[in-house]
Parts: sequence; structure tokens; C-alpha cells
Amino acid sequence: QKEVEQNSGPLSVPEGAIASLNCTYSDRGSQSFFWYRQYSGKSPELIMFIYSNGDKEDGRFTAQLNQASQYVSLLIRDSQPSDSATYLCAVNEENTGFQKLVFGTGTRLLVSP
Amino acid sequence: DADVTQTPRNRITKTGKRIMLECSQTKGHDRMYWYRQDPGLGLRLIYYSFDVKDINKGEISDGYSVSRQAQAKFSLSLESAIPNQTALYFCATSVSRTGGRFGETQYFGPGTRLLVL
Repeated sequence: QKEVEQNSGPLSVPEGAIASLNCTYSDRGSQSFFWYRQYSGKSPELIMFIYSNGDKEDGRFTAQLNQASQYVSLLIRDSQPSDSATYLCAVNEENTGFQKLVFGTGTRLLVSP
Repeated sequence: DADVTQTPRNRITKTGKRIMLECSQTKGHDRMYWYRQDPGLGLRLIYYSFDVKDINKGEISDGYSVSRQAQAKFSLSLESAIPNQTALYFCATSVSRTGGRFGETQYFGPGTRLLVL
């Protein structure tokens, strides 16, 4: 079973700071990586995906992928209290031609006003 | 209206009972998934289906069965519920892409909270 690991947190940051969330994965063949946000009692919603090494930016969010070191991270700039949620990292299992995701257990982020 | 709906949203049942959780989608996606989420264990895949005639077991299929009645409907059954099946259950959908080696985005339903006594 492929593994995806995240620190469960909570990660506490003050409003306006940068929150850095990290994820490591075991399958070196994985090629697509996803970050989902999940508010308490709600369903996961996609924030970003990244397919290639380097950074991908979308508004206040930046995903970073380092395939050599097998980690992917999510940076949230200018953190807001509304960003307080659990962030799930998901990795596609190998290059199988279809979508089968392995999820990490999530990192809980708390942004204080 | 939500693109992915799940019924019921909450369910309490007793050990040994058979129950069915239903998922419907209006997104026109061909692929559907059932997950369960437990505190500290994250989301785990139970079953997945790439079209009406293709159903596959996931990581934790024991004790569960599924039915893909139509492209838009995917049901999960617990034949004889047991307390350790108490969890939050999510249905998800995605659409295949030509040459989709990099995977597709999955869209989740609102979840069904199940309690087995």
C-alpha cells in the first residue's frame, strides 16, 4: 500500500502569516498530487493540483513539488481565519491511466485573528 | 442544486442490519468512488467504478458491496452492519481524460454520517 504522510498538527499561525503544510509520499512513480481543504463536518474540496516539479501558484496558494525528495507542500500566504481547516494531501497511484488517490490523514490548520 | 448528492445524510442503525447508502451525480462523470473517513485514519477507498460495467475493490472492501445502477448512481451496501463501520462515508466522482496519465480531479458529495450501535 502506497503511503502519504502528513503531520496531523494543529499548525497554528497568526492572521496574515504564511502557513506551510507538508506531505511526503512513498511511491516514486506518482505523478500527480492534490491538495484538498476540509472544514469540520464537511466534504473535501480541491484547492490545487500539481503535476511537475517546481511551484504552482493560484492566488494566495502555492503548491511545491520535489519529486526527487518525494515531498509536496502547500503554502498559504496572508492566512485568514477562514483558512482554518484540515488540509488533505492526495497522491495518484502510479501512472495507471486512471484516478486512484491515496490520501494522507491531513494537517489541521488554525489561523488566529 | 448540488452536483453530487448522498442519501441519507445521517443514519443510525443496529448491528446486523442491512443498509444502503446512495449517491447520485449530475456532473455527467463516468467515474465514481466510495470512501470512508475515520478520525486519525484519513480517507480510505472502499470501491470504485469507471463505468456501469466496471467495478473494482478498493483498500477496504470487506463487509461492503456496491451497485452501479446507472452512470449517475452508485450505491454502497453494508450487508450486516457492525460497530466498526461507524464512520463518515463520502461518494466522489471524476471524469476520464484521453491519455489521462496524470489523473483527474475528484469531486466529493456532502457525506453520510453512519452510526452502528
